[in-house]
Amino acid sequence: GNSVTQMEGPVTLSEEAFLTINCTYTATGYPSLFWYVQYPGEGLQLLLKATKADDKGSNKGFEATYRKETTSFHLEKGSVQVSDSAVYFCALRRGYGQNFVFGPGTRLSVLP
Amino acid sequence: GAVVSQHPSRVICKSGTSVKIECRSLDFQATTMFWYRQFPKQSLMLMATSNEGSKATYEQGVEKDKFLINHASLTLSTLTVTSAHPEDSSFYICSAIHPRHDEAFFGQGTRLTVV
Repeated sequence: GNSVTQMEGPVTLSEEAFLTINCTYTATGYPSLFWYVQYPGEGLQLLLKATKADDKGSNKGFEATYRKETTSFHLEKGSVQVSDSAVYFCALRRGYGQNFVFGPGTRLSVLP
Repeated sequence: GAVVSQHPSRVICKSGTSVKIECRSLDFQATTMFWYRQFPKQSLMLMATSNEGSKATYEQGVEKDKFLINHASLTLSTLTVTSAHPEDSSFYICSAIHPRHDEAFFGQGTRLTVV
């Protein structure tokens, strides 16, 4: 079946530190891959996505590359800010109109 | 950007009563909407797929008689938690697929507390 695994955290970093949140997936076919962010008390917001192998998604300084050979989609940011504190979900979707399969989420806390 | 509005954002109800949560796509028509449940500090679990004009498809283990889903129009899906119990307390989130962008947009979520 389809599944997503990600480091569960919590991850605590100082401001301006480098961030990596690992995500690996299991899926049939060629899924699209996503990172969503959830701020406290809110719903999910799309952070970035990649729809095929070797695609790089990027947004707000975050980026992730779709690696088919390692079935991974690790999230990175070179310099985190306090405002990046949130829960980050890696997700996949098998195809058009299909539902999402989410990873467990990784809570990130950035300290000033 | 496309917006999905979920209402109410918070609700407290007594055990045994029913609660209706609405999910609206504000600027696009969605033939498919999804309902998720999120337990504290856990991921989202798909409860059901709501299809406009037809019955919802429920995930294994989700009681269809307890969690009633109605997708009566292309912009509105409702989730009704019937005869609520404290164990139904959770964060419920809906999402809708934008047909042109093939992208899912999520509602703000509804925190349900059953006392």
